[in-house]
Amino acid sequence: DIQLTQSPSFLSASVGDRVTITCRASQGISSYLAWYQQKPGKAPKLLIYAASTLQSGVPSRFSGSGSGTEFTLTISSLQPEDFATYYCQQLNSYPRALTFGGGTKVEIK
Amino acid sequence: EVQLVESGGGLVQPGRSLRLSCAASGFTFDDYAMHWVRQAPGKGLEWVSGISWNSGSIGYADSVKGRFTISRDNAKNSLYLQMNSLRAEDTALYYCAKDISSGGDTAIGFDYWGQGTLVTVSS
Repeated sequence: DIQLTQSPSFLSASVGDRVTITCRASQGISSYLAWYQQKPGKAPKLLIYAASTLQSGVPSRFSGSGSGTEFTLTISSLQPEDFATYYCQQLNSYPRALTFGGGTKVEIK
Repeated sequence: EVQLVESGGGLVQPGRSLRLSCAASGFTFDDYAMHWVRQAPGKGLEWVSGISWNSGSIGYADSVKGRFTISRDNAKNSLYLQMNSLRAEDTALYYCAKDISSGGDTAIGFDYWGQGTLVTVSS
């Protein structure tokens, strides 16, 4: 199975900071990567799909980039409502196993 | 408004079975692939299974292959997960999720999620 490694696993940042989260795949997955945001007690929310396509309704401060094995999620100016856990997901191997990264928790500094 | 409502969770003994359901509304159900994703308490997300719009393409995580069966009834706008031979490690909140794509051999991303149904496997 394809493994996804997210870094960092924990991030402390301030409102207004630029934040970058990295997701590395154990083998090439083209652009079959999605990013989700999850807040405590809530279902995940899709932010980005196809590595860089912003989901409808998601603020433009979120952006995604990368292809192959290395991907990034960037929040250009962190807002109070952005404190949450972020997950990447590879969808290249469907209908074989899809996988999520281990998550990055973004907390207030 | 898109709604996904899971049901069927509960407390079950190891080795027993449970059937989860997901009732969908607010979109053309038979146009899209659907998935089950679970989250153990305090842990990350784990994809469990997915099914294409016409049930022609189905996939499972290795951890549930041979024990769980995904199905859908497009006439009833419903998704199901039959879980047999349950283990303690299957304890989790189970989410139903809609794919952006129709399926086949492609998954793109999960744009709508239910609120989940909790499955607890314990004696």
